[in-house]
Amino acid sequence: NAGVTQTPKFRVLKTGQSMTLLCAQDMNHEYMYWYRQDPGMGLRLIHYSVGEGTTAKGEVPDGYNVSRLKKQNFLLGLESAAPSQTSVYFCASSKTGPGEQYFGPGTRLTVT
Amino acid sequence: AQSVTQLDSQVPVFEEAPVELRCNYSSSVSVYLFWYVQYPNQGLQLLLKYLSGSTLVESINGFEAEFNKSQTSFHLRKPSVHISDTAEYFCAVILNTGGFKTIFGAGTRLFVKA
Repeated sequence: NAGVTQTPKFRVLKTGQSMTLLCAQDMNHEYMYWYRQDPGMGLRLIHYSVGEGTTAKGEVPDGYNVSRLKKQNFLLGLESAAPSQTSVYFCASSKTGPGEQYFGPGTRLTVT
Repeated sequence: AQSVTQLDSQVPVFEEAPVELRCNYSSSVSVYLFWYVQYPNQGLQLLLKYLSGSTLVESINGFEAEFNKSQTSFHLRKPSVHISDTAEYFCAVILNTGGFKTIFGAGTRLFVKA
C-alpha cells in the first residue's frame, strides 16, 4: 500500500496563478483533510471531507476550494494564488473521525 | 475556546538524557489525545494516542505519555533519547462532541546532541 500520496512535491507560482494539489489514498478511508503548516503555528485545517461527494470548511478556508469526486482522491485548488499562501500543504486521511490520521509527504508551495 | 499549548518551541538535550515535552489543552468536553512526530521533510506520523482506558500510553520506540485530566495535560516523556529522535513533535486533540475536529499544537522541536 502506498498510503497517502501527494502531487506535486514542490511548486512555485506567481501571484494570481492557479493550481490544483492532488491527494490520493489507497486505504479506503472515509475522511480526508487538507492542512497547511507554517512555522510556529502547527497545522491548520483548510477543508475536509467526511465521504465521497462531501466537503466542508475548516479553520482557514479562504482562498481555497476542494472537491472529492472519488473516495480515494481529495483535490485542493487555489484559484488566484497569493504570497500569503506560501506554505507546506499536507493531506491526511482517517478511517473514522476521532482516530489516527495518516499523512502524505507534503507539498511545498511558494507564491512569488 | 478549545486550544492546545505546547509550552516549549525547542528542546535541546544530550543523547541518553531523559526528556519531557509538555502539552496542555483546554476543552469543556472530553477529548482524545495524540502525539505525532515529524522527521525532516516528511509528513506527520502517529507516535501514540489516548482514547480511553489506562491513562499511561506507550509507543514502540520508548516514548510514553500520561493523560492527566485534572491538569488537562498529556506530556510526552522518554527516559533516554537517541540522536534519531531528533524531530518535531506535535500534540493533538480531538474533541469528543460526535465530530472529528483535530486541534494541533504549534509543535516542539527536539534536538538531540551527541
